Amino acid sequence: QSLLTQPPSASGTPGQRVTISCSGSSSNIGTNTVDWYQHLPGTAPKLLIYSNNQRPSGVPDRFSGSKSGTSASLAISGLQSEDEADYYCATWDDSPNGPNYVFGTGTKVTVL
Amino acid sequence: EVQLVESGGRLVQPGESLRLSCVVSGFTFSTHNMKWVRQAPGKGLEWVSFLNSRTGTVYYADSVKGRFTISRDNAKNALFLQMNSLRNDDTGVYYCATDSGDYWGQGTLVTVSS
Repeated sequence: QSLLTQPPSASGTPGQRVTISCSGSSSNIGTNTVDWYQHLPGTAPKLLIYSNNQRPSGVPDRFSGSKSGTSASLAISGLQSEDEADYYCATWDDSPNGPNYVFGTGTKVTVL
Repeated sequence: EVQLVESGGRLVQPGESLRLSCVVSGFTFSTHNMKWVRQAPGKGLEWVSFLNSRTGTVYYADSVKGRFTISRDNAKNALFLQMNSLRNDDTGVYYCATDSGDYWGQGTLVTVSS
């Protein structure tokens, strides 16, 4: 059971804006920065956002991230068919048993 | 070109051991912290372990603590995951990656089944 909760699915038509939420707690999102990954099963995950809102080189500016308190969100504007994938938030959790990097439950984005 | 190539995944029985390898090229391996991430069939991504390149500090998910060991050989540009006392729920695709998440391998499949 993940410490980071995401909606299981999200959808939109081409060109629309889709937002994915990621809810955590004070020991993870509330304390540490958030990363976002795009993943097509069977392929290598791709880093979309790091440090809450930074895009690695090559990631389109259609993808944006934000964080407030113990929640974070990923926005995809100008939705395209190739954006259909699974999306995961992730961050470090300062557990009493030692730091753990945790992934969110994942959100499947469908382009209608 | 950056490459991370995992190997070592196969079918094993519960209780057996397996050692995964990840050979990297195209970047300075010795200066990068590394991690292993897995995905069970039909499930989401799960972080497994982390290794700090400078201090040697390691962290493990509670689900593998005491059974898995992460290590590296900088001379061989290789990252390893020694997996002991394997269980059915260790089945999945195992990915190696830089801790920053910039670079990932394509994964190697581990199947634990009797």
